[in-house]
Amino acid sequence: TQLLEQSPQFLSIQEGENLTVYCNSSSVFSSLQWYRQEPGEGPVLLVTVVTGGEVKKLKRLTFQFGDARKDSSLHITAAQPGDTGLYLCVCLQTDSWGKLQFGAGTQVVVTP
Amino acid sequence: DAGVTQSPTHLIKTRGQHVTLRCSPISGHKSVSWYQQVLGQGPQFIFQYYEKEERGRGNFPDRFSARQFPNYSSELNVNALLLGDSALYLCASSIAWNEQFFGPGTRLTVL
Repeated sequence: TQLLEQSPQFLSIQEGENLTVYCNSSSVFSSLQWYRQEPGEGPVLLVTVVTGGEVKKLKRLTFQFGDARKDSSLHITAAQPGDTGLYLCVCLQTDSWGKLQFGAGTQVVVTP
Repeated sequence: DAGVTQSPTHLIKTRGQHVTLRCSPISGHKSVSWYQQVLGQGPQFIFQYYEKEERGRGNFPDRFSARQFPNYSSELNVNALLLGDSALYLCASSIAWNEQFFGPGTRLTVL
């Protein structure tokens, strides 16, 4: 069982600032996903990264998968209040269909 | 198209009682998974069902059980409730191995 560590646990920033959150493991991921969970809702998939060194962009969000596929980062540029939420990383293995293993998450609060 | 739906949205029980939570997957999705999310933590996998058969079980006691019906909806049952069972219970359905769609969850409070 892989242990996913996310940091920081909590992040509070002003609108317009940038932020980066991290997801690390001592084991190699087959692939990794990032989800965002807003209060009162279930997690929503943002991105899946598969290849070591891969970078994906989703508007103001940039996701990077480490070269060794043991870590990932999520960078948000010019954060907006709508970015507020719990950001969760998930490691995937080929036999993990329906059995996601989540990190503890980073709670991000963006204030106007 | 409707997303994953769960009922009830909120539930208050006392210790020792039993609870049943319900989930309807997205139309066409045959896999349903259940997760427990304690406040301040990420979701923890409880069960996966596919085509009415259990395909995976997380590290939860036997007080937790589930089943899937012919229409692919699912129930999660928890017996002999403990205070520590207070959590958000999430249901997710999927049609592909690398994407799950979550419902809004059922908030269970055990007093």
